[in-house]
Amino acid sequence: GAVVSQHPSWVICKSGTSVKIECRSLDFQATTMFWYRQFPKQSLMLMATSNEGSKATYEQGVEKDKFLINHASLTLSTLTVTSAHPEDSSFYICSAPSIERGYEQYFGPGTRLTVT
Amino acid sequence: RKEVEQDPGPFNVPEGATVAFNCTYSNSASQSFFWYRQDCRKEPKLLMSVYSSGNEDGRFTAQLNRASQYISLLIRDSKLSDSATYLCVVNKRGGGADGLTFGKGTHLIIQP
Repeated sequence: GAVVSQHPSWVICKSGTSVKIECRSLDFQATTMFWYRQFPKQSLMLMATSNEGSKATYEQGVEKDKFLINHASLTLSTLTVTSAHPEDSSFYICSAPSIERGYEQYFGPGTRLTVT
Repeated sequence: RKEVEQDPGPFNVPEGATVAFNCTYSNSASQSFFWYRQDCRKEPKLLMSVYSSGNEDGRFTAQLNRASQYISLLIRDSKLSDSATYLCVVNKRGGGADGLTFGKGTHLIIQP
């Protein structure tokens, strides 16, 4: 199957700092990528849709100024958590649909963020 | 009403047994339906897509009832390696490249 990578796999940062998470589609191009967040014992929640060449679209309740998304190329989207707070600690996962494979979505391995 | 609702379990099932999960979804615009599997602290992995005609993949059978907005998964001859959380998933807005709505998952434990 297709491969999506994320970097870093885990990060610990101090409150007030910013953290950048990268999502790459390694063997296919993705004009759209998705960012999800999962809190312990909760479902994955779609945060935003990352669009190559245009602005990201955010789900209701997700602050676009706090979660900055940049779809820099057809294989790379980044999510920056700005001014992180402990309540931002979560598991962040990206996915990319493969048009060649009928829009099947391939998930990255996730990034575990802990804000102290 | 939650967008995708599942019984969280856990389901404790002896090895070799048959187990069935169900879920309901609220968005009638959803066009794509899936079962994903998620192991502890890992990303979800696609188990199978679900079609109205029903589909089978080895020991796994999925069914979709659009009228009732109900999706099911049947696992036959369960193996220890089937222990995981099973996520019922629908697409949000009915498009091709579309974000997904996940249920909270049903936790399955296969016991030897």
